[in-house]
Amino acid sequence: DTAVSQTPKYLVTQMGNDKSIKCEQNLGHDTMYWYKQDSKKFLKIMFSYNNKELIINETVPNRFSPKSPDKAHLNLHINSLELGDSAVYFCASKGTGGIEQYFGPGTRLTVT
Amino acid sequence: DQQVKQNSPSLSVQEGRISILNCDYTNSMFDYFLWYKKYPAEGPTFLISISSIKDKNEDGRFTVFLNKSAKHLSLHIVPSQPGDSAVYFCAVGGGKLIFGQGTELSVKP
Repeated sequence: DTAVSQTPKYLVTQMGNDKSIKCEQNLGHDTMYWYKQDSKKFLKIMFSYNNKELIINETVPNRFSPKSPDKAHLNLHINSLELGDSAVYFCASKGTGGIEQYFGPGTRLTVT
Repeated sequence: DQQVKQNSPSLSVQEGRISILNCDYTNSMFDYFLWYKKYPAEGPTFLISISSIKDKNEDGRFTVFLNKSAKHLSLHIVPSQPGDSAVYFCAVGGGKLIFGQGTELSVKP
């Protein structure tokens, strides 16, 4: 069984479009994250939710809006896509009291 | 400004020998230190961690060493196997993890 899953795995779209990436975890974790891995391979945290509440919001453009309908899901909606949004986006989750985060397989977003 | 640095972008090691991956950090307030392994087209996989109150943690072939005075973290893999070939990321923090930029390890048969 997949612990942290993301859909889609690949997403190619044009500038100006709006797109969503979905994430689900079946680990029973309370905290979920979105990371962006840019062309230089840095993994940078974007958002974190704990029990559906936003707890970390890095300096991310407000075109990016995370939504957590329940603690097992954290979706990422991106408005007005720009070329610089092209990256691999990873979802992750962590249990209460745990340190390690468990990552999904990533979504490669290409904006043309 | 990078708070976590992995200065070697790549490392090549012979099968059976030791692989040593290094990581430096700037903030002495970090509580936890982790290593992740990543294969192409997959997400990072947690390997091993250490808290700031320890200086060594071992799990099978993997050992993490922490030198707090030098703000330095290392991962030793011994013996190295071809299946260990991957990108290794160090990460520091607690609730929020800050990642290094990764070291690509290649273990040659």
